[in-house]
Amino acid sequence: AQSVSQHNHHVILSEAASLELGCNYSYGGTVNLFWYVQYPGQHLQLLLKYFSGDPLVKGIKGFEAEFIKSKFSFNLRKPSVQWSDTAEYFCAVNLNYQLIWGAGTKLIIKP
Amino acid sequence: KAGVTQTPRYLIKTRGQQVTLSCSPISGHRSVSWYQQTPGQGLQFLFEYFSETQRNKGNFPGRFSGRQFSNSRSEMNVSTLELGDSALYLCASSLRTSGDSGELFFGEGSRLTVL
Repeated sequence: AQSVSQHNHHVILSEAASLELGCNYSYGGTVNLFWYVQYPGQHLQLLLKYFSGDPLVKGIKGFEAEFIKSKFSFNLRKPSVQWSDTAEYFCAVNLNYQLIWGAGTKLIIKP
Repeated sequence: KAGVTQTPRYLIKTRGQQVTLSCSPISGHRSVSWYQQTPGQGLQFLFEYFSETQRNKGNFPGRFSGRQFSNSRSEMNVSTLELGDSALYLCASSLRTSGDSGELFFGEGSRLTVL
């Protein structure tokens, strides 16, 4: 069965540190890839998405992700995190309009 | 443009009862998906409706059901509630057209507590 793995369930960083959250999926065909974010007390919202073209995609709030097809990965990055980036981050793969979700990574930024 | 609206936002039920949750998608969106979110299991797909037809279904027991109306509004029902059904139930809508990349727009969820 198709699955999405997020390597870290909890990440704690200091402000200005660099961030990389891992995401790997198990499906060999064409996929649409997403990162969603859920800020405390808010609804899930799209951070960025990839479905074709440049494998390096840029999203909101300075986030970016790189699709590496050979590694089945779609890692999320941000060069310098802020306290307001504290949230839970979910990677998802769209297969026939059904999103397969990773378990999520809770990111805590220490001020 | 109004977002996805879910009602009620919070509810408390007891074991054995049933519950109905409602979701109004973004205007023009014809697809509505439902997810269960729990701390231990993350986001679990329940089902998706498009034009009043169930298109996909996750691995949940038959106690979980849903429907979609002609105006794209959707309801989900859980019968014979169990303690383990306590969760945040999320509704998401999307265009579901051939050009749709699959981006979902989520509501704030209905938090169900089963006592």
